[in-house]
Amino acid sequence: DAGVTQSPTHLIKTRGQQVTLRCSPKSGHDTVSWYQQALGQGPQFIFQYYEEEERQRGNFPDRFSGHQFPNYSSELNVNALLLGDSALYLCASSLGGYEQFFGPGTRLTVL
Amino acid sequence: QQQVKQSPQSLIVQKGGISIINCAYENTAFDYFPWYQQFPGKGPALLIAIRPDVSEKKEGRFTISFNKSAKQFSLHIMDSQPGDSATYFCAAISGSARQLTFGSGTQLTVLP
Repeated sequence: DAGVTQSPTHLIKTRGQQVTLRCSPKSGHDTVSWYQQALGQGPQFIFQYYEEEERQRGNFPDRFSGHQFPNYSSELNVNALLLGDSALYLCASSLGGYEQFFGPGTRLTVL
Repeated sequence: QQQVKQSPQSLIVQKGGISIINCAYENTAFDYFPWYQQFPGKGPALLIAIRPDVSEKKEGRFTISFNKSAKQFSLHIMDSQPGDSATYFCAAISGSARQLTFGSGTQLTVLP
């Protein structure tokens, strides 16, 4: 049984560009949450998707958007990249939202 | 009110010793408290979790102690091993918010 998978592993972009990160949840899970983890800090909640809709959103600007597909996989899109967007982006899946299992993350570097 | 405060920031323990990490919260709506272990370059791994109607939960060498009245909970790692060296995060979640609120993390080093 595959756990949560994310792609790509690493990504380098320049300021102003746009990026799309992808996540496949653990088998049987229907809820996907996205978190941003800056170096040396705890993960910060971006948003959560359930039944293809954004169910909850953290304190992140509209430059951060997402999508969930019928197979429960999800994408995180970030527009107009800033240097401060450099971080590890984590996807977590769950059944219902409580017990969340994380993927390995995508390391985004903005130059 | 969403904050979870974690201490200490770093911890050094001898092999075989007990590691203790503490967390405190303010939001009484939190009703699920997990601990995550994270190795460098990896995603957090769910270690153990507790609900506030239980005062203690033990899984192998890992134990969560929960004090609802004090709004505090802690992780105890018994017989600590060098392989336990990692960053540990406490977290909290409420059914209404469904978002994990993390502590700031504790970097644990277990000396051989």
